[in-house]
Amino acid sequence: DQQVKQNSPSLSVQEGRISILNCDYTNSMFDYFLWYKKYPAEGPTFLISISSIKDKNEDGRFTVFLNKSAKHLSLHIVPSQPGDSAVYFCAADNAGGTSYGKLTFGQGTILTVHP
Amino acid sequence: DTEVTQTPKHLVMGMTNKKSLKCEQHMGHRAMYWYKQKAKKPPELMFVYSYEKLSINESVPSRFSPECPNSSLLNLHLHALQPEDSALYLCASSQGPAGEETQYFGPGTRLLVL
Repeated sequence: DQQVKQNSPSLSVQEGRISILNCDYTNSMFDYFLWYKKYPAEGPTFLISISSIKDKNEDGRFTVFLNKSAKHLSLHIVPSQPGDSAVYFCAADNAGGTSYGKLTFGQGTILTVHP
Repeated sequence: DTEVTQTPKHLVMGMTNKKSLKCEQHMGHRAMYWYKQKAKKPPELMFVYSYEKLSINESVPSRFSPECPNSSLLNLHLHALQPEDSALYLCASSQGPAGEETQYFGPGTRLLVL
């Protein structure tokens, strides 16, 4: 049972435009969400997170939106740059529960930004 | 500084070998993790150490043996591995056993079992 889903395996965007990556979850106990970026053969790099008490968090070109009623979050990258081309993983945590430290990852979305 | 270091970067071992993967962080984090990642898949949690004590073992086979000698170091001892254990092994750390923990990952060790 996949509790965190990224339904788009890939996304292609023109440089300068907005990239929108989506993530859905099924476990209502998740209360902390993170986005990681990963290049091949490297470890994931933390990008941005959001707590379930918020519906938006912004850091530079990256904004994460959380819609708790829809169990949906999205990552917006504006403007997109070729260096943003990577695999993006959404991850969720039940931070207030007893399984702290157990991140549940989505399958990842490959973002390609064309010059 | 959010650096987690891992050695070696690459490792090739036979099925009868014994080897160890090392992970180090100097951020004062008290929780450390081992993940396994196969190609085109998300990372899968293997072990969690919290304050140098094993707190989560995700039913990992005993041929993988974790060790946390101190709060900055995490080892993964490998023995009698199978070819299907070939993967990228990632170490991560976070501040401590509290809520809303951001985990910071190392670059990984690419393991090939022949």
